[in-house]
Amino acid sequence: RKEVEQDPGPFNVPEGATVAFNCTYSNSASQSFFWYRQDCRKEPKLLMSVYSSGNEDGRFTAQLNRASQYISLLIRDSKLSDSATYLCVVKEVRGGSQGNLIFGKGTKLSVKP
Amino acid sequence: DVKVTQSSRYLVKRTGEKVFLECVQDMDHENMFWYRQDPGLGLRLIYFSYDVKMKEKGDIPEGYSVSREKKERFSLILESASTNQTSMYLCASHSPGTGPYEQYFGPGTRLTVT
Repeated sequence: RKEVEQDPGPFNVPEGATVAFNCTYSNSASQSFFWYRQDCRKEPKLLMSVYSSGNEDGRFTAQLNRASQYISLLIRDSKLSDSATYLCVVKEVRGGSQGNLIFGKGTKLSVKP
Repeated sequence: DVKVTQSSRYLVKRTGEKVFLECVQDMDHENMFWYRQDPGLGLRLIYFSYDVKMKEKGDIPEGYSVSREKKERFSLILESASTNQTSMYLCASHSPGTGPYEQYFGPGTRLTVT
């Protein structure tokens, strides 16, 4: 069964803290990985793709470990506005550019003043 | 900017009613999806469509059907609503082959079946 597993949290951290989220996926053939962000009562939105060599976007760093089937997201210098649920997402394997997304259940982050 | 709209933000229906949820996207995307999102269960795929008049079952299609008569519109139908279909319903669209894979979501319809 295809699965993406995340710690549901919540993670309650003070402003300025560094926080890390982890995620594991079950299909070793998966090729594409993402983090989505979902604000309370809003729709999910793509935060960043995750590349094999790791990638950074400002305060956000995503890493992939294919051998362990493990994805991580690091947020440095947390802001109040980072409070949201972070969804780990894996694209299932299918021919060509098609393939549906498999979503983890999300990790809730609450950044406090 | 990609826009995905859904016909209602909130909907209350009675058990046994037929329910239509409409989704429209304005970016000429080929692929469209219907999900439901429940606390503790996350986002689960109900149905998807890779082209007009094409539909495929997702992970939880039971009790639902879909219609894709036009490229921009993807409808989710609950033939006979039941209380266990009370949920947040999210529509998404995507165009293959246009840069990094990204699904764009509508704002969601919170359906309550009483």
